Amino acid sequence: DQQVKQNSPSLSVQEGRISILNCDYTNSMFDYFLWYKKYPAEGPTFLISISSIKDKNEDGRFTVFLNKSAKHLSLHIVPSQPGDSAVYFCAASTQGAQKLVFGQGTRLTINP
Amino acid sequence: DTGVSQDPRHKITKRGQNVTFRCDPISEHNRLYWYRQTLGQGPEFLTYFQNEAQLEKSRLLSDRFSAERPKGSFSTLEIQRTEQGDSAMYLCASSLMAGADSPLHFGNGTRLTVT
Repeated sequence: DQQVKQNSPSLSVQEGRISILNCDYTNSMFDYFLWYKKYPAEGPTFLISISSIKDKNEDGRFTVFLNKSAKHLSLHIVPSQPGDSAVYFCAASTQGAQKLVFGQGTRLTINP
Repeated sequence: DTGVSQDPRHKITKRGQNVTFRCDPISEHNRLYWYRQTLGQGPEFLTYFQNEAQLEKSRLLSDRFSAERPKGSFSTLEIQRTEQGDSAMYLCASSLMAGADSPLHFGNGTRLTVT
């Protein structure tokens, strides 16, 4: 039962353009969502989060959008830079729960 | 902040052997988590500690797996009688508290290969 899904295994974007990574979830009890970035041979690094009481959270070049009715969130990176090339995981949890449920990841490649 | 440290980085073992991994969390973090990641998948939750108490275990954590955090600081994850299906990246993470203000900080993982 995959409660968090990232349906695009890979995405290729030109440097300077917008990267949009998508994530869908099935558990309506999820109320906290995060994005992590992972480089090869390293652990995931926290990028940005959003609570279910919001529909948008912005941090520099990174913006996360949450559409609760569609059970969908997305991560926008503008402008995309070569250092953004990595695997991106979305994750979700419920109030009071200690564990995160991760999607399968999307490999983002930024082309010069 | 020296980050979450895991040792060893790589472990190759023969099927049936026991292995033990160590995790040193960020010093002021009282919550410690173990996750497992296989190729092409996201990390999967295994278990969680608050201080020295193990408060939740996934059904993925069979009775061959045991985790401890004896003094509420470092943690060990032991796998007994390893099987080829145990081959994976084992990730440790820590946080100061639960909730939106304290995301998990991950270590670089221990990659286990069972031959």
